[in-house]
Amino acid sequence: AQKVTQAQTEISVVEKEDVTLDCVYETRDTTYYLFWYKQPPSGELVFLIRRNSFDEQNEISGRYSWNFQKSTSSFNFTITASQVVDSAVYFCALSAGITGTASKLTFGTGTRLQVTL
Amino acid sequence: DTGVSQDPRHKITKRGQNVTFRCDPISEHNRLYWYRQTLGQGPEFLTYFQNEAQLEKSRLLSDRFSAERPKGSFSTLEIQRTEQGDSAMYLCASSLGRGQETQYFGPGTRLLVL
Repeated sequence: AQKVTQAQTEISVVEKEDVTLDCVYETRDTTYYLFWYKQPPSGELVFLIRRNSFDEQNEISGRYSWNFQKSTSSFNFTITASQVVDSAVYFCALSAGITGTASKLTFGTGTRLQVTL
Repeated sequence: DTGVSQDPRHKITKRGQNVTFRCDPISEHNRLYWYRQTLGQGPEFLTYFQNEAQLEKSRLLSDRFSAERPKGSFSTLEIQRTEQGDSAMYLCASSLGRGQETQYFGPGTRLLVL
């Protein structure tokens, strides 16, 4: 069985602060994918990033960066110089199984980020 | 490219009524997924289709729920004899259909059962 834990329920920061959202996952599969999605108040889940279990390279995309560490089963997400538009609920998700087969996403409970002026 | 679309965006119904939701995936996406999201929780998987074939169903999908994708394009999710516990956001996602690829989500249908 797969499990994703996002221990931070809600985080509040002031604009321009850096913020890190934590994600810890559990799976017995050796092949898996990790995702981050953003859910703004409108409700639509917006894809941010996907990493596979064989690629532990950290990634930076603009103000966003991701730190994938298999040793601690973590896939953390950092927003640098946060902006009010970053306010949303952020979900970490896991997809595991044999490569080539479709796999459902297992989501964490989400972290609500509130960025204020 | 047009994204995943869902209709209606909101639905209010009385307990015991039947409701049907529609999802139109991104064109050329072979896989289509349904998820349910309740307040304060992450989405939970309900079922998925590869073209017109329904290949997996969650235990969350009771007998009152049925999903179809008759021509391998759009999909419908029907809930019969709705209960207050069915109140949730129903999300549809689609993907290309080549292994563990990214799922792209629609705006969801928010259901309220009175």
